[in-house]
Amino acid sequence: DTAVSQTPKYLVTQMGNDKSIKCEQNLGHDTMYWYKQDSKKFLKIMFSYNNKELIINETVPNRFSPKSPDKAHLNLHINSLELGDSAVYFCASSPLGTMEEKLFFGSGTQLSVL
Amino acid sequence: TQLLEQSPQFLSIQEGENLTVYCNSSSVFSSLQWYRQEPGEGPVLLVTVVTGGEVKKLKRLTFQFGDARKDSSLHITAAQTGDTGLYLCAPSSGYALNFGKGTSLLVTP
Repeated sequence: DTAVSQTPKYLVTQMGNDKSIKCEQNLGHDTMYWYKQDSKKFLKIMFSYNNKELIINETVPNRFSPKSPDKAHLNLHINSLELGDSAVYFCASSPLGTMEEKLFFGSGTQLSVL
Repeated sequence: TQLLEQSPQFLSIQEGENLTVYCNSSSVFSSLQWYRQEPGEGPVLLVTVVTGGEVKKLKRLTFQFGDARKDSSLHITAAQTGDTGLYLCAPSSGYALNFGKGTSLLVTP
């Protein structure tokens, strides 16, 4: 049983398209996150949701919109994709969302914008 | 914004060698986590250090938190090919777990 699962694993698309990445966790955690890892492996937080409520939005363009239908799911929708959006996107979860907690990561979605 | 540096950025060694990687900052942290990320996977937590001067061991890996809680080190004894990966430090600060840029370790047979 995968604790944090995200789909798709790979996503190749054209500039200007709209795409979504789905994430689900079966750990019963209250907090979920989206991170972006660039080509230099720098892993940066994008969003954090606690029990379906947005907690963190780290200066991410408006084209990125997270949606949390329930606390087990946090999907990432991206409008008007740009070349610079190419990266690996990781979903993660933690029990309560405190800084000392362990993060559980999905295996990533590699997005390539052509 | 805290300045967090990991060094070295890249490290290539042979099996059996010892190595140390570093995570340094000018800020004080209440705790710090170390993660390892293997190719094609998400990061996985190795350890959390909380107390200044704390040393934790995980088999051949030794983690140390600096006395002033501004820095940390990871020492690997007798490296194995399975240790290959990206080692990320993540201090708890502010409202989100932010990661250093990592040390990419390659252990060759």
